[in-house]
Amino acid sequence: GAVVSQHPSRVICKSGTSVKIECRSLDFQATTMFWYRQFPKQSLMLMATSNEGSKATYEQGVEKDKFLINHASLTLSTLTVTSAHPEDSSFYICSARDLAGREAFFGQGTRLTVV
Amino acid sequence: GQNIDQPTEMTATEGAIVQINCTYQTSGFNGLFWYQQHAGEAPTFLSYNVLDGLEEKGRFSSFLSRSKGYSYLLLKELQMKDSASYLCAVRDGDYKLSFGAGTTVTVRA
Repeated sequence: GAVVSQHPSRVICKSGTSVKIECRSLDFQATTMFWYRQFPKQSLMLMATSNEGSKATYEQGVEKDKFLINHASLTLSTLTVTSAHPEDSSFYICSARDLAGREAFFGQGTRLTVV
Repeated sequence: GQNIDQPTEMTATEGAIVQINCTYQTSGFNGLFWYQQHAGEAPTFLSYNVLDGLEEKGRFSSFLSRSKGYSYLLLKELQMKDSASYLCAVRDGDYKLSFGAGTTVTVRA
């Protein structure tokens, strides 16, 4: 299957700082990428849909000014958690859909801990 | 929106068969996925159904009935490494996936 690489896999940051998470499609071009958040023992919750060259579409209840998404190329989308707080600590996962519309492939996930 | 239901937990013995059911109510339907997720890891793709019927892939099979809004994932010849959470996900017309809460399967020796 297609490969989606997410970096970093783990990050610890101080409250009030910003953290950037990268999601790359390695062997295909992704017109659309999705960002999810997963709290312990809960399922994945879609945060936003990122389309190359346009603004991201955020799900209800997700603050777009706090979770900045950039999808500047067909192989890279970034999620920046701004002014992070301990309640933002979670597992963040990206997925990508290719030009042919094949099923989404997931990155390895990023464990964010805000202290 | 989507409403996806699956059991919270299931336990089975090594070598046995387990069936995980998933029911859904959606405003649009463009396929149903099953994913396996081990603790602390991202989900890995298991199967995809868009037409009614059974899709078999090795020890794992997935069934879909669109008229009933129902799917199941069948795990055969269970192994200890199959202990994981299994997520049912429905894709809508915009290719957005909505996930069920997941079913934690515990395989015992």
